[in-house]
Amino acid sequence: DIQMTQSPSFVSASVGDSVTITCRASQGVLAWLGWYQQKAGEAPKLLISRASTLESGVPSRFAGGGSGTHFTLTITSLQPEDSGAYFCQQANVFPLTFGQGTRLHIK
Amino acid sequence: EVHLVESGGNLVQPGGSLRLSCAASGFTFSRFDMNWVRQAPGKGLEWVSYMSSSGTTYYADSVKGRFTISRDNAKSSLSLQMDRLTAEDTAVYFCARRIEEPGGGYFLDSWGQGTLVTVSS
Repeated sequence: DIQMTQSPSFVSASVGDSVTITCRASQGVLAWLGWYQQKAGEAPKLLISRASTLESGVPSRFAGGGSGTHFTLTITSLQPEDSGAYFCQQANVFPLTFGQGTRLHIK
Repeated sequence: EVHLVESGGNLVQPGGSLRLSCAASGFTFSRFDMNWVRQAPGKGLEWVSYMSSSGTTYYADSVKGRFTISRDNAKSSLSLQMDRLTAEDTAVYFCARRIEEPGGGYFLDSWGQGTLVTVSS
């Protein structure tokens, strides 16, 4: 199975700041990497597919990058509504696997 | 608008069985691959099972041989039969649609709100 490792596990930042979350895959997944946002008590929401393709309606302050085994999610100009958990997911092979998550706290 | 509604979650004793359902609307269900993903309380996401539009299935090792995914395209419904449940199966179970992306990429673009399964004596 492909192991997905995210860092950091927790990040706290202020409104207007930028943060970068890293996701590493134990094997190459090409660009088959997705990022999900999950707010408290809600279902996950797909933000980015194919490592860097923003889903419809997702603000442009979200940006994904990387390929192979190393990926990043960068959120610029943080807003209060960006608070929540973020998960990466390899979408290349079964079993599909997720990173353990990064909790983003907006001060 | 895509709508996925899970049901069937409940409190069940270890060793028991439960059947989850997911009612889909707002899209042509028969054309899409579907998944179950679960999340234990306070934990991360764990993919559970997949069923393609043509009937191909995959399971996580943790549930293989105990869980069975199925679909009824006529009713736009996805199901998950869960047998021999253990405490480790306690989680919110989400129904999730695979993105329509010819050529690959098992991204999950629509999710239900989930149904809670609690396995405890």
